[in-house]
Amino acid sequence: SQTIHQWPATLVQPVGSPLSLECTVEGTSNPNLYWYRQAAGRGLQLLFYSVGIGQISSEVPQNLSASRPQDRQFILSSKKLLLSDSGFYLCAWSRIAEQETQYFGPGTRLLVL
Amino acid sequence: AQTVTQSQPEMSVQEAETVTLSCTYDTSESDYYLFWYKQPPSRQMILVIRQEAYKQQNATENRFSVNFQKAAKSFSLKISDSQLGDAAMYFCAYRLSSGSARQLTFGSGTQLTVLP
Repeated sequence: SQTIHQWPATLVQPVGSPLSLECTVEGTSNPNLYWYRQAAGRGLQLLFYSVGIGQISSEVPQNLSASRPQDRQFILSSKKLLLSDSGFYLCAWSRIAEQETQYFGPGTRLLVL
Repeated sequence: AQTVTQSQPEMSVQEAETVTLSCTYDTSESDYYLFWYKQPPSRQMILVIRQEAYKQQNATENRFSVNFQKAAKSFSLKISDSQLGDAAMYFCAYRLSSGSARQLTFGSGTQLTVLP
């Protein structure tokens, strides 16, 4: 069976510090990978998606970047965090096949102070 | 662009009763998928049910069923015999069936409270 992991689970960072959130998927090959952000009390906003190693598409201009160094690893980064980067970050994966559904990880709570 | 609207920010239901959560969407496409996800206090998104737009039959998963009205672009979720564990934020989501990465578009969510 497939599982998706995210870490850390919770992170408190000062403004201006760097960020690295990691997402890994087990039990499948060549998945589509996604990063979402959920602000408090709101829906999910797609930030990045990837259809393969080194292939990243950005949905919104922002202070964040994403990388996919390995097939089942997806990293969300920032060089300098802003207060507005606070939120709940969810990673998701889906199969390449036409009828795939997105499955979500447990999420990371980020608080920028 | 596709949009998903959930007009009920909050709903409540008595335990063992039935509740229906509303969702409408706007698209010019004919081939797509619709989903309901549940987000409990742990905040992990859990897939509840999925509907293919080309199927006329409404999807059902145990106590969860949908009323899919393609012409009206409506996709409501019915929860029967509500349980305390059903309390969560429920999100309706839309996805094209083809495209480069098949992104999900989410509604703003409905917070469901189950009263004992």
